[in-house]
Amino acid sequence: EPEVTQTPSHQVTQMGQEVILRCVPISNHLYFYWYRQILGQKVEFLVSFYNNEISEKSEIFDDQFSVERPDGSNFTLKIRSTKLEDSAMYFCASRFPGTSGRALNTDTQYFGPGTRLTVL
Amino acid sequence: ELKVEQNPLFLSMQEGKNYTIYCNYSTTSDRLYWYRQDPGKSLESLFVLLSNGAVKQEGRLMASLDTKARLSTLHITAAVHDLSATYFCAVDRDDKIIFGKGTRLHILP
Repeated sequence: EPEVTQTPSHQVTQMGQEVILRCVPISNHLYFYWYRQILGQKVEFLVSFYNNEISEKSEIFDDQFSVERPDGSNFTLKIRSTKLEDSAMYFCASRFPGTSGRALNTDTQYFGPGTRLTVL
Repeated sequence: ELKVEQNPLFLSMQEGKNYTIYCNYSTTSDRLYWYRQDPGKSLESLFVLLSNGAVKQEGRLMASLDTKARLSTLHITAAVHDLSATYFCAVDRDDKIIFGKGTRLHILP
């Protein structure tokens, strides 16, 4: 069964450093997402991406964050200058559109296993 | 602003009992999701609900959606220990997805 993969599984970095989290979505999916989850808390939406551009982003997704789909298979999240509060589990997800158009598609999001980011 | 309220946040129940988790949301939505998360793991999709009156069932779990009341429920029938996990509802509006705080379900043998 196809699945979303993420690398690395755990990333440790110093405050102020740049990190890139990588995701390989399911191959025929067209919608891509990043979420984060601070330990023991709820899942927070960061950004959605479709047709090579950001569809929506949350208040968390400020200028320190960026996303890219550089080669048609990878989907990356970059944090330019990490802060202590960026420590969390980061999940990538992807979705295949239905036939009725974007707003009415019926398919679910498939989540990757996550990258645990620890900022020291 | 889209807000999602889930309750209860913690539920401890005996095997064999029935219970319902509630998910209220504040504005119209395109779709509503239910997910399961085991400790230290990723999210597993359970249901996607689109339209008013939608009902989906998988095993001992049944989800429903009332778009007029902006309410979804996840009903657990004859709970078994394997269903112990955290359950999240999430509401998708224009590809912005807001999660509830989750319901930590603990089923006692």
